[in-house]
This record gives sequence, C-alpha cells and structure tokens, in this order.
Amino acid sequence: GDSVTQMEGPVTLSEEAFLTINCTYTATGYPSLFWYVQYPGEGLQLLLKATKADDKGSNKGFEATYRKETTSFHLEKGSVQVSDSAVYFCALRANTGGFKTIFGAGTRLFVKA
Amino acid sequence: DSGVTQTPKHLITATGQRVTLRCSPRSGDLSVYWYQQSLDQGLQFLIQYYNGEERAKGNILERFSAQQFPDLHSELNLSSLELGDSALYFCASSVGGPYTGELFFGEGSRLTVL
Repeated sequence: GDSVTQMEGPVTLSEEAFLTINCTYTATGYPSLFWYVQYPGEGLQLLLKATKADDKGSNKGFEATYRKETTSFHLEKGSVQVSDSAVYFCALRANTGGFKTIFGAGTRLFVKA
Repeated sequence: DSGVTQTPKHLITATGQRVTLRCSPRSGDLSVYWYQQSLDQGLQFLIQYYNGEERAKGNILERFSAQQFPDLHSELNLSSLELGDSALYFCASSVGGPYTGELFFGEGSRLTVL
C-alpha cells in the first residue's frame, strides 16, 4: 500500500542554519505531495504542496520539489528561525480509491537562538 | 482558524467506557477524515467519509465506528476503551473527490483513558 517515510527527529539547529528534512514515498499512480506543520498545541496546517512531477512547492521560505525518479519530496529552508520550531509531516494524497491522505511519522524541529 | 470544529477538546474517562467525538467540517467541504495521533505511532489514518458515505478505511479498530450525517458533521465513537486508546484524535475536512488540495484540520480532541 501507499506509504511515506521521513527522517527521524528530533532535529536541533541553531538560528539561521540550513534545514533539510528528507521524505520518500511509495505509491501507485501519481499522488499529490504535501508538507504539513504542527505547532505546539495546534492542529496540522498545510505548509506547501506539489501535484505533479518536477513541481516545486514553496511557502514562508520553505521549499520542496516533487522528484518522481527518486520518489522524494525533501523539505528545505535556507535560514531557520526560532519560530520554525514545530513538527513537520510529509504526506501523500492518492488520486484514486477514496483520495485518502497518508502521513509520515513526523519530524520534530528545535531551533535554538 | 481552519474552520473545522472538534468537541470536546479534552476528555478523561475510564477503561471499558464509551465516548463520542464530534467534528463539524469547514463550510462547503464534503469529505471528513479521522486521524489518531499518539506519541509512538505518529498520525494514523482511521476513516474517511464523503457526503455521508464511507470512502476509505485505515487502521480503525472494530471497537471504533464513525458516521457522517446529512448535515455533514461527523462523529467518531470509541467503545470498550483501553489505556492504549489514549491519544489525540484529529478530524480534517476537504472539498473531496478528485480535488488535489489540502486537508483542513481541527485542533483535536485529547482523550485520556485511566
């Protein structure tokens, strides 16, 4: 079945450091890919998305490119801030059979001042 | 504010009991999804409804059931509760169908089973 694998956390960085959180997926067909973010005490919210191969999603300085050849959707940010501390979830949405969204395990990011 | 409302926000109950969690989706959204988030298992998909009908099923236990009503709100019923059912239960909604857009999440219902 469909699945998402993302790097285990926690990831601890200093402010202004470069961030990469790896995400790979297994799916039949051509899913849509997403990154969601969960701040403490809140529900998940969409960070960015890509719906087809080679699409780049971007938002708030974060970017991720849909790589079909490597089945990956790695999240990057050039300079993190303390306010980026949160849990990040990679997800795929199948485009068949109910269109359910499958999430990775989540990666907790701590950014130190 | 995502527009998705979940009640109650917190619930404490005993093993063997039954609880009902309620979700009101965003206005206009036809699909409702339920997820369970626990410390050791991340975000697990439970079940999805689209316009009142079950559309997809995930790792939902037989002790759990859900439904979506004609007004599109949804309820998740958890029975014969066990300690391991303690978790955060999220509801999410979307327009549904082939739309490839995002899910909108509520703030969750935190269930503690003692």
